[in-house]
Amino acid sequence: QQQVKQSPQSLIVQKGGISIINCAYENTAFDYFPWYQQFPGKGPALLIAIRPDVSEKKEGRFTISFNKSAKQFSLHIMDSQPGDSATYFCAASVQAGTALIFGKGTTLSVSS
Amino acid sequence: ETGVTQSPTHLIKTRGQQVTLRCSSQSGHNTVSWYQQALGQGPQFIFQYYREEENGRGNFPPRFSGLQFPNYSSELNVNALELDDSALYLCASSSVRRGTDTQYFGPGTRLTVL
Repeated sequence: QQQVKQSPQSLIVQKGGISIINCAYENTAFDYFPWYQQFPGKGPALLIAIRPDVSEKKEGRFTISFNKSAKQFSLHIMDSQPGDSATYFCAASVQAGTALIFGKGTTLSVSS
Repeated sequence: ETGVTQSPTHLIKTRGQQVTLRCSSQSGHNTVSWYQQALGQGPQFIFQYYREEENGRGNFPPRFSGLQFPNYSSELNVNALELDDSALYLCASSSVRRGTDTQYFGPGTRLTVL
């Protein structure tokens, strides 16, 4: 399985600030890039996903930026709130609905 | 619409034993994927089942096996348990038929191998 590299490992942001998490991939066959949010004791929940034919996708306070040539994508959380404190995973698959390759996760803490 | 459910919630086994984990897919979903999530790591793909047949497998040994039933529920079986098998096992369901590719995860089964 090709790797998906995620950074930073942990992130502390003030309430109202912008949280940015980055991911890089190697396999150019990847065609679907979702972000998942996981709270302690829960399974991951899909936040937002993008395909490589667009460079940006926004849903509420969450935005994915995608750079196909650099093989990088990032999650931006605007106006971060304490309720956003969770672990975030980027992932990729060669076809939507098939095996997801996950990054190692970023633990976000939003301080009030 | 009911979500993905998994049982049991927690399980403690000893080395060498066998374990069966169960997953009920979300209503209307025909595809089930299993993932292993070690502490502090991202989920790792074990295998996927579609219409009762294995439809892709990750880098896991044959002692990890699975089944999917006609109602699309699924089982993950692990034989000859090893200490490194201790992890959260996640099941995710999705629906090819509906043309949606989102994988919806259950809450997981926490397996501890002593």
